[in-house]
Amino acid sequence: RKEVEQDPGPFNVPEGATVAFNCTYSNSASQSFFWYRQDCRKEPKLLMSVYSSGNEDGRFTAQLNRASQYISLLIRDSKLSDSATYLCVVNPSSNTGKLIFGQGTTLQVKP
Amino acid sequence: DTEVTQTPKHLVMGMTNKKSLKCEQHMGHRAMYWYKQKAKKPPELMFVYSYEKLSINESVPSRFSPECPNSSLLNLHLHALQPEDSALYLCASSQDYGGPPGNTIYFGEGSWLTVV
Repeated sequence: RKEVEQDPGPFNVPEGATVAFNCTYSNSASQSFFWYRQDCRKEPKLLMSVYSSGNEDGRFTAQLNRASQYISLLIRDSKLSDSATYLCVVNPSSNTGKLIFGQGTTLQVKP
Repeated sequence: DTEVTQTPKHLVMGMTNKKSLKCEQHMGHRAMYWYKQKAKKPPELMFVYSYEKLSINESVPSRFSPECPNSSLLNLHLHALQPEDSALYLCASSQDYGGPPGNTIYFGEGSWLTVV
């Protein structure tokens, strides 16, 4: 089993749609969780950190379920500019900064 | 705009060449990283420097040689590379290595390397 698993997609959705990405992680002791966004031929950029209480930033909502070892990202009212690859990233230990990346989920928002 | 700056943005080198990738950050971060990313794959960790000392080498071949001249600079020296080493090389930094939850890593724009 991979340490961090994501559905690679692609997810093809129309503008204005709501889309949700899921990510599971294998290490129950994992400490920190992030969603990064990566555009084609660009560097990964931090989209959101994910907290136990869940957090929201505009159209984006991230949730963490420690019991199920599951992280989600919800995008409401999708824009064409949301088209990108979304990387689920986990730091399995507070003693290291060694991030574990999921394979990424590709989102294509169409007009 | 990223606050981690990498040069050059593109590099083409022959298998017998020696070249270097450079990275600079002025955020006062104490941890710096080199990642390698191939097409349609996530970044793979290569090296981690913490407080200017090499903390992690992910069994990277010796043809890649990292150097951290000071807390703001990170270099990756390249020698006798193979065509399969062609990839995007990403530098990153964070406040600390490890540390509290939420210690966030910030990436530079990357250096596209082609080995011919």
